[in-house]
Amino acid sequence: GESVGLHLPTLSVQEGDNSIINCAYSNSASDYFIWYKQESGKGPQFIIDIRSNMDKRQGQRVTVLLNKTVKHLSLQIAATQPGDSAVYFCAENPAQGGSEKLVFGKGTKLTVNP
Amino acid sequence: NAGVTQTPKFQVLKTGQSMTLQCAQDMNHEYMSWYRQDPGMGLRLIHYSVGAGITDQGEVPNGYNVSRSTTEDFPLRLLSAAPSQTSVYFCASSYSSMRPYGYTFGSGTRLTVV
Repeated sequence: GESVGLHLPTLSVQEGDNSIINCAYSNSASDYFIWYKQESGKGPQFIIDIRSNMDKRQGQRVTVLLNKTVKHLSLQIAATQPGDSAVYFCAENPAQGGSEKLVFGKGTKLTVNP
Repeated sequence: NAGVTQTPKFQVLKTGQSMTLQCAQDMNHEYMSWYRQDPGMGLRLIHYSVGAGITDQGEVPNGYNVSRSTTEDFPLRLLSAAPSQTSVYFCASSYSSMRPYGYTFGSGTRLTVV
C-alpha cells in the first residue's frame, strides 16, 4: 500500500475482483481523510472522505476503513471494473489545520485486467 | 455547474517567458489553491487563498505569483519561466478555508519549459 514519502506502488487485479488500497498516514493529529482517483491526464477526482470519529464509511462500490490506532487507512473497491484503473491517493488533514494543511500521499497505481 | 475550470490545458514556454495560468470556480468556494504535481513527488502546494484579497505561500512558492481579486478567480503567474517549472499544475478549491470539505480539483495544465 501507499505511504506518504514512498515511491508509487502498484496493484494489479482481475476484473470483478475486490481491490484494497492502503495508506499509512503519519500525523496522529489528523482527523479528516480523503481518497482521490486520478486517471491518466486528468485531475484528481474525489471518491470518498471520512472523519476520525468514524471507523468505516461506504459509498457506491467503495468503502473506506480507518484504523486510528495504527494510523492506517484503506480503500476497498468492490467488483473492480476496467474503468477503475487509475492512481489512487489519500490525503490527511490535521485537526488544527486549515485547508492549506492538507497532505497528499503519492498514490497507488491500480491496473484492472479484463 | 462547471466546478473548477483551468486554462490552458497545455502550454510550452521558452526559458524566461512569462505566462498566467487561469483558474475559476463557480461554487462560491472560499478557499482556492495551486499545486504542482511531479513524478514521484505527489502534490505540492504553491500558493493558496482563504478569500478575496488574501493570499499566502505554500510549500514551493518561488517563481510564482498569485492574486485573488474575486471569489471566483485565482490566477497563477510565472514571472520568468525555468525548466524546473515543467510540471502539471492543478487548481483546487473548497467551500471553507478552515477544513478541506468538498475539496475539488480542476483538470490541470501541463506546462513544459524548454
